[in-house]
Amino acid sequence: GAVVSQHPSWVICKSGTSVKIECRSLDFQATTMFWYRQFPKQSLMLMATSNEGSKATYEQGVEKDKFLINHASLTLSTLTVTSAHPEDSSFYICSARTATGTRGTDTQYFGPGTRLTVL
Amino acid sequence: RKEVEQDPGPFNVPEGATVAFNCTYSNSASQSFFWYRQDCRKEPKLLMSVYSSGNEDGRFTAQLNRASQYISLLIRDSKLSDSATYLCVVRAYNQGGKLIFGQGTELSVKP
Repeated sequence: GAVVSQHPSWVICKSGTSVKIECRSLDFQATTMFWYRQFPKQSLMLMATSNEGSKATYEQGVEKDKFLINHASLTLSTLTVTSAHPEDSSFYICSARTATGTRGTDTQYFGPGTRLTVL
Repeated sequence: RKEVEQDPGPFNVPEGATVAFNCTYSNSASQSFFWYRQDCRKEPKLLMSVYSSGNEDGRFTAQLNRASQYISLLIRDSKLSDSATYLCVVRAYNQGGKLIFGQGTELSVKP
């Protein structure tokens, strides 16, 4: 099946620093990538949807100036958590949707996630 | 009200037991339905899609009732390896086709 990678798999940083997470689709072109956040014992919450070459669409309540998303190519999207604080500590998961897909079938593939801990 | 609701559990069952998970969704425009499995500290992985006629994949059976906006997953002859969190997921094309996740139901299968 299609493979999506994320880097780094975990990161620990000091409060106030910025952290960049990369999401790559390894064997397919992803016109759309999604960024999710998951707190312990909670479900995945969609943060934003990014389409290659255009600005990301953020979900309600997600600060676009704090969570910068860049989708510069069909295989790479990055999420930068700016001025991270302890409350940003979470599991960040990206997902990539293939360029072609049939409505009703799942063509969305998830990366392995990045665990961010802000001290 | 959450868009997708599940009983969070945990469900603690012995090996060999049959266990059923329920899920309700609020968006009547939802068009695609899935069950995902998520292991601790891992990404979710697609277990099965759910079709209106109901579908089965080995020990797993999924049912959909559009009128009641209700989805179920039945696991028969549960194995230790079935221990995980099961996520009910819907997709509505009137929301840009994004996946909406339930909070998950935790299953623990004991020897």
